[in-house]
Amino acid sequence: DTVLTQTPVTLAVTLGQPASISCTSSQSLRHTDGKTFLYWYLQRAGQSPHLLLYEVSNRFSGVPDRFSGSGSETDFTLKISRVEADDIGVYYCMQGIHLPLTFGQGTRLEIK
Amino acid sequence: QEQLVESGGGVVQPGTSLRLACVGSGFTFKNYGMNWVRQAPGKGLEWVAVIYYDGTNKYYKDSVKGRFIISRDNSKSTVYLDLSGLRVEDTASYYCARVGHGMDVWGQGTTVIVSS
Repeated sequence: DTVLTQTPVTLAVTLGQPASISCTSSQSLRHTDGKTFLYWYLQRAGQSPHLLLYEVSNRFSGVPDRFSGSGSETDFTLKISRVEADDIGVYYCMQGIHLPLTFGQGTRLEIK
Repeated sequence: QEQLVESGGGVVQPGTSLRLACVGSGFTFKNYGMNWVRQAPGKGLEWVAVIYYDGTNKYYKDSVKGRFIISRDNSKSTVYLDLSGLRVEDTASYYCARVGHGMDVWGQGTTVIVSS
């Protein structure tokens, strides 16, 4: 199985400050068609997950532009330019190219 | 708006069976593949199964192969997950999620508790 490792496990950030989460894959997530199937989700407490970014860096509908994604092959990063209270929750990366589909273990974002 | 609503969860004994259902609305259900993803209490997300838009292909996580069956009825905009031989470790919230840009629409989840 493709293992996704997220760091850090917990991230405490002051409101208005930036945040960054890393996701490293045990194998390349780049398809032969050139697309890279790495996704980012946020799960707020008591809610189902929702999609933030698809194919590394594309913001899903309604996602604020303070969220950005970068990376290639096996190393990826989610960045929040200025953390807001609404950003609290657990962030997951997911790979969508190798079966079984797998998620990272999650990064909990807290407000300092 | 695009929506998925799961149902069918409950408290069951080990070894028994359960059928989960997920109804889609606000989009053309028959055009999309569908996933089931679960989350054990206090744990992370775990993909369980996927079914293609037309039901022709289905794939499962190894630990549920032979016990869980994913199916769909496009006339009812519904995807199902039949769970059998349930184990304590199958206890989780089960979410259905649409195959779009990744999993781009999620339901609110239905809870399965396997306990003697």
